[in-house]
Amino acid sequence: EIVLTQSPGTLSLSPGERATLSCRASQSVSSSYLAWYQQKPGQAPRLLIYGASSRATGIPDRFSGSGSGTDFTLTISRLEPEDFAVYYCQQYGSSCSFGQGTKLEIK
Amino acid sequence: EVQLVESGGGLVQPGRSLRLSCAASGFTFDDYAMHWVRQAPGKGLEWVSGISWNSGSIGYADSVKGRFTISRDNAKNSLYLQMNSLRAEDTALYYCARADRSQAAFDIWGQGTMVTVSS
Repeated sequence: EIVLTQSPGTLSLSPGERATLSCRASQSVSSSYLAWYQQKPGQAPRLLIYGASSRATGIPDRFSGSGSGTDFTLTISRLEPEDFAVYYCQQYGSSCSFGQGTKLEIK
Repeated sequence: EVQLVESGGGLVQPGRSLRLSCAASGFTFDDYAMHWVRQAPGKGLEWVSGISWNSGSIGYADSVKGRFTISRDNAKNSLYLQMNSLRAEDTALYYCARADRSQAAFDIWGQGTMVTVSS
């Protein structure tokens, strides 16, 4: 089973700042099968990024993904108030697993 | 409108069974693989099980293997999760999710159905 470890656990930033979220895998993940999701309280998760770097339909271009092998990054270039949420990475190349999440909170 | 609606959750005693359903609409159901993902109160997401479009490929998380069974009825546009020998640690909000045909990430999610295992 591939274990995904996200860091930091909580990230405190202000609107307009840049956010960098990390996801590290216990073994190599095919970049084709690494995704990022956003979840707000009381809502289902929403797909942001698939294939490590491709934005899902309707996702603003301030969201970008990068990485390969065991290290992946989600970057939000300029935070909007609606971006404060919990973010999860997921691999779906070898069975499926999620990271434990990073909470992005307003500073 | 593309939609997934889960049902069947509730309060159940440890050791008992429950069957969840997920009704799909707005898309060609039998074109897509489907999954169940759960989220314990205040916790993160945990993949539970997945099934290919024709039920030819099925997978389970180790935590539910041998107790849960995923199935689908393409004629009824429905996904199911039969949960047996339920434990307190199975308490969670259960989501069904669609896997995109080309890139396999989970692009559509339902709103979830809550399962509480308690005596």
